Amino acid sequence: AQSVTQLDSQVPVFEEAPVELRCNYSSSVSVYLFWYVQYPNQGLQLLLKYLSGSTLVESINGFEAEFNKSQTSFHLRKPSVHISDTAEYFCAVKGGNMLTFGGGTRLMVKP
Amino acid sequence: ETGVTQTPRHLVMGMTNKKSLKCEQHLGHNAMYWYKQSAKKPLELMFVYNFKEQTENNSVPSRFSPECPNSSHLFLHLHTLQPEDSALYLCASSQALYNEQFFGPGTRLTVL
Repeated sequence: AQSVTQLDSQVPVFEEAPVELRCNYSSSVSVYLFWYVQYPNQGLQLLLKYLSGSTLVESINGFEAEFNKSQTSFHLRKPSVHISDTAEYFCAVKGGNMLTFGGGTRLMVKP
Repeated sequence: ETGVTQTPRHLVMGMTNKKSLKCEQHLGHNAMYWYKQSAKKPLELMFVYNFKEQTENNSVPSRFSPECPNSSHLFLHLHTLQPEDSALYLCASSQALYNEQFFGPGTRLTVL
């Protein structure tokens, strides 16, 4: 069995503050890890992914995530958020022939 | 057109109506998916097609009927839906099964 847990359903934060969105997973096989972002009234867009190699991966808009195998985590971080980062963020894990999404975390950036 | 497109973007239907949702991908992918996204619930995978063949049906009620005539097109036929079926229906595609998925903008369905 495989599962993904996003511990926080909502994260309010002020503009220019740092943020961490947490993702933990369980799987009995090697995994690939993804973060997707969903802006209001849109579909999901891939933000970043870990397939192999360096455990720290970065997106083009300043987000980064670190794969921690011992803690089975793939937390998403940004050192300084913008209003435009307000969205729902989904962590997903592919293990074998299964892709599992977390429940999502709504990031609310306040001015 | 590029990426994954879905039509219509919004749909309101009565419980006795029959309607269809359409998804088209212009990425040359081989796998396509239907997801249901309801408020305050996790994303639910409904159906999976790989090279036009259905590989997964996650216990979806028969009032939802998928069709995949080719690797670029995916339909979801709807009939005698219930109000609790109101949700955002997302289509996605990937090059290989369960690899990185590209999503369409979704169809917002309201069942009256």
